[in-house]
Amino acid sequence: RKEVEQDPGPFNVPEGATVAFNCTYSNSASQSFFWYRQDCRKEPKLLMSVYSSGNEDGRFTAQLNRASQYISLLIRDSKLSDSATYLCVVNAASYKLIFGSGTRLLVRP
Amino acid sequence: EPEVTQTPSHQVTQMGQEVILRCVPISNHLYFYWYRQILGQKVEFLVSFYNNEISEKSEIFDDQFSVERPDGSNFTLKIRSTKLEDSAMYFCASSDGRAPEAFFGQGTRLTVV
Repeated sequence: RKEVEQDPGPFNVPEGATVAFNCTYSNSASQSFFWYRQDCRKEPKLLMSVYSSGNEDGRFTAQLNRASQYISLLIRDSKLSDSATYLCVVNAASYKLIFGSGTRLLVRP
Repeated sequence: EPEVTQTPSHQVTQMGQEVILRCVPISNHLYFYWYRQILGQKVEFLVSFYNNEISEKSEIFDDQFSVERPDGSNFTLKIRSTKLEDSAMYFCASSDGRAPEAFFGQGTRLTVV
């Protein structure tokens, strides 16, 4: 089983749409959870950390379900500039980050 | 905004040659990392470095790889004898140690021919 699993997409949505990405992780000892964004041939950039209580940053909402080992990201009111690959990232006891393969989002006009 | 900087942005090298990839982490960060991403694949951890020594390394980080912090600002990744399969984007990252999220440099694209 992959350590971090994501639907590769692509998700092709119109501007203004709401889109949700899911991610599962295999290591129950994982302690920290993140969503990173990666544009084509660029570095991963931290989008947001994910907390057990759920957290929101503007149009972005992240949720964590430790019992199901499941993480989600909701993007409301999609913009053209949201087109990118969204990476689900976890870490266990060390500071090593484990990346999923990413979910590609295309927002069309 | 402080950032991680990497040089060069693109390196082409012949198989069997040594390469050194350079990084300047964010100045007050204590943990340094190298990750790589083969084209079309996921980002993979190579090595973490703290307090002037390797704290963790992956299976990919074999004897051909080494890291060094030669002075107070630079952090380098050396590949002793490059192979075709070493062609990838190499990302340096750093974190302040209070939280595990890392900030990435813009990457060095290594092409081995």
